[in-house]
Amino acid sequence: VQVVESGGGLVQPGGSLRLSCAVSGLTFNSYAMNWVRQAPGKGLEWVSTIGANVVSTHYADSVKGRFTISRDNSKSTLYLQMDSLRAEDTAVYFCAREGEVDYYFDHWGQGTLVTVSS
Amino acid sequence: EIVMTQSPATLSVPPGERATLSCRASQSVSSKLAWYQQKPGQAPRLLIYGASTRATGIPARFSGSGSGTEFTLTISSLQSEDFAVYYCQQYSNWPPYTFGQGTKLEIK
Repeated sequence: VQVVESGGGLVQPGGSLRLSCAVSGLTFNSYAMNWVRQAPGKGLEWVSTIGANVVSTHYADSVKGRFTISRDNSKSTLYLQMDSLRAEDTAVYFCAREGEVDYYFDHWGQGTLVTVSS
Repeated sequence: EIVMTQSPATLSVPPGERATLSCRASQSVSSKLAWYQQKPGQAPRLLIYGASTRATGIPARFSGSGSGTEFTLTISSLQSEDFAVYYCQQYSNWPPYTFGQGTKLEIK
C-alpha cells in the first residue's frame, strides 16, 4: 500500500500551488478522499473531502473559495489546487482515504510541506 | 461544528503501566469516534474506529470505549513504541470533520 503526496514547496503569499496524492495497492475509486493539514507544532485540521463519485466536495471554512479538490479515478490520484495562499496555510498536507465501513480515515500518506512566506 | 476536547494535554506514564486518555465531544457523536496515533515526522495512524473497534494490525493492548460525548482510549501496558501524540476525531456530523487538540503521551 502506498499513498504518496507531492507538490509542496515554498510559495509567496497570494501564490498558487497544486498538490497531488498518488494511491497504489489500495482501492481508490470506490472511496471518498480527504486532505488534512497540520501547521508546525500544531494539531490536525481537516481541509477538504471529495466523494468517490467526483461530484460531491466539501471544504473547511478557512479554505473555501481558495482551494479546489479534485480526483482522477483512472490514475488513482487526488489533487488539491491551492490559490490565494496565506501565511496561515503553512502546514504539512496529508491525504487520507475514507475508511472501509465509515467516514474515519484509514490510510494516510506521509505528507507534503507547504510553506507560504515572502 | 462539534468541538472535541482531549485531556490531559500531556500524560507521563512509566513503561509497563496503563495509560488512560480522554476525549469529550460538545454534542453527541454516537459511536462515530476514531483515535489516531502520531509519532514525530510521521503521518497519523488509525488505531480505533467506531469508538471501540481496533483497526487492522493494532495490538490488543489498545482499547477504546464510550459513546455519546465521553470517550476513552486505554493502553493496557505501555511499550516504548507507544509514546506519541494521540488524537480523537468525530465523523458523526460533518463537514467539518473535527479533531481533538491531542494528548502527548510521554515516558515517566
